[in-house]
Amino acid sequence: SAVISQKPSRDICQRGTSLTIQCQVDSQVTMMFWYRQQPGQSLTLIATANQGSEATYESGFVIDKFPISRPNLTFSTLTVSNMSPEDSSIYLCSVLAADRDTQYFGPGTRLTVL
Amino acid sequence: GEDVEQSLFLSVREGDSSVINCTYTDSSSTYLYWYKQEPGAGLQLLTYIFSNMDMKQDQRLTVLLNKKDKHLSLRIADTQTGDSAIYFCAERDSSASKIIFGSGTRLSIRP
Repeated sequence: SAVISQKPSRDICQRGTSLTIQCQVDSQVTMMFWYRQQPGQSLTLIATANQGSEATYESGFVIDKFPISRPNLTFSTLTVSNMSPEDSSIYLCSVLAADRDTQYFGPGTRLTVL
Repeated sequence: GEDVEQSLFLSVREGDSSVINCTYTDSSSTYLYWYKQEPGAGLQLLTYIFSNMDMKQDQRLTVLLNKKDKHLSLRIADTQTGDSAIYFCAERDSSASKIIFGSGTRLSIRP
């Protein structure tokens, strides 16, 4: 299995500011994903982080609001830009294992926007 | 589009078996997963099953798949207080990179 860490684990931010979340994996993985889990809800895929190219965003999510970087096969960042209280959620990094059968999740970053 | 549905709540007595049910609509689903989320934590992959299997057992966990009815279940034998969590059913098509999640079932254990 892959061991995934995220930083920060939680943060409280002011409206209008931006927060960058880091995701580090202990092994090289081809596919990395960013999910959002709004309070009391299930998980929604924001985007697939592609190494060496622009991320692939799902419907309803745009690069200006959620810029993503993926400089190598073990690291990615998600920025939540110009935050509003509606962005208060848990943001989770996820990777597809080398066998391409299993998908693992990081511990999540709990974001509260005031 | 694809959809995965679960009941929202389940309450069982400690020591009994818990059965969490899930239905999905995508007939091309290849992988079906069960994840566990404890309060304030991320998602833990519990088990998964390929669509060409009917059953998979792993210690206290038994997964049953009825592909004809697109129905998946997770049975937890001898349910303990540590099993209290939200359980998410999820499915993925082999050609797709993304997983579609159900709404999650909150399992509570009563003494």
